[in-house]
Amino acid sequence: NAGVTQTPKFRILKIGQSMTLQCTQDMNHNYMYWYRQDPGMGLKLIYYSVGAGITDKGEVPNGYNVSRSTTEDFPLRLELAAPSQTSVYFCASSYYWSHEQYFGPGTRLTVT
Amino acid sequence: AQKVTQAQTEISVVEKEDVTLDCVYETRDTTYYLFWYKQPPSGELVFLIRRNSFDEQNEISGRYSWNFQKSTSSFNFTITASQVVDSAVYFCALSEAGSSNTGKLIFGQGTTLQVKP
Repeated sequence: NAGVTQTPKFRILKIGQSMTLQCTQDMNHNYMYWYRQDPGMGLKLIYYSVGAGITDKGEVPNGYNVSRSTTEDFPLRLELAAPSQTSVYFCASSYYWSHEQYFGPGTRLTVT
Repeated sequence: AQKVTQAQTEISVVEKEDVTLDCVYETRDTTYYLFWYKQPPSGELVFLIRRNSFDEQNEISGRYSWNFQKSTSSFNFTITASQVVDSAVYFCALSEAGSSNTGKLIFGQGTTLQVKP
C-alpha cells in the first residue's frame, strides 16, 4: 500500500515551458486535491476532484489544469510556466470530504 | 469568510519543556472539521488529529493533547515534555460543510517549532 505517490520529486522549468505533475493513490479514495506551498506559508488549494470525471477550481487555479479520468490518478498540468509558479506542490486524497487527507511527498518546482 | 490564524510564527523551547501551539479559526458554518498536521524537515505532511465542530472533548494522545473551545474559536495543540524529534512546522486547518462537502482545507500559515537539546 503505497498511499499517495507523486512524480517527479524535483523539476526545474524554463519560463514558458509546460509540464505535468503526476499523482496516484492506491487507497480507492474519491476525493483528491492539489495544493501549493510557498516558502513560509501554509498550503493553498489549486484544484480538487470529488470523483472520477469531476474537477473544480480551488483558491489559486490560474495557470493550471487538471483531469480525473480514473479514481487513482489526478495529474496537474502547468501551461506556460512562470516564476510565480515556483513552489512545492502537494497532492492529497481522502476517503470522504470530512476525513483526514493523506498527502504525497511533494514536488519541488523551480521556474527560471 | 473562513480563515485560520496561527499567530506564532516560530517557537523555540528546550527539550522537556511543554509547549502550546495556538490556532484560531473563523467560519460561519455550524458543521466543520479542524485538523492538525506536522511537517518535519523532510517535507512530508503527517496527519495528527481531526475534530468535528460538535465534539468539544479534549483529546490526549501520548505527549500530544488538543484543546477545542468553540466559545473562543480556538483549537490549540500542546506537546508535553517536548523532544528534539518534535521539531517541525505544525499546521492547523479547517474544512467546512458549507463548501458543498468538498473537503477543501483552509490552512493556517504554520508554526515552526524548534526543540533544542
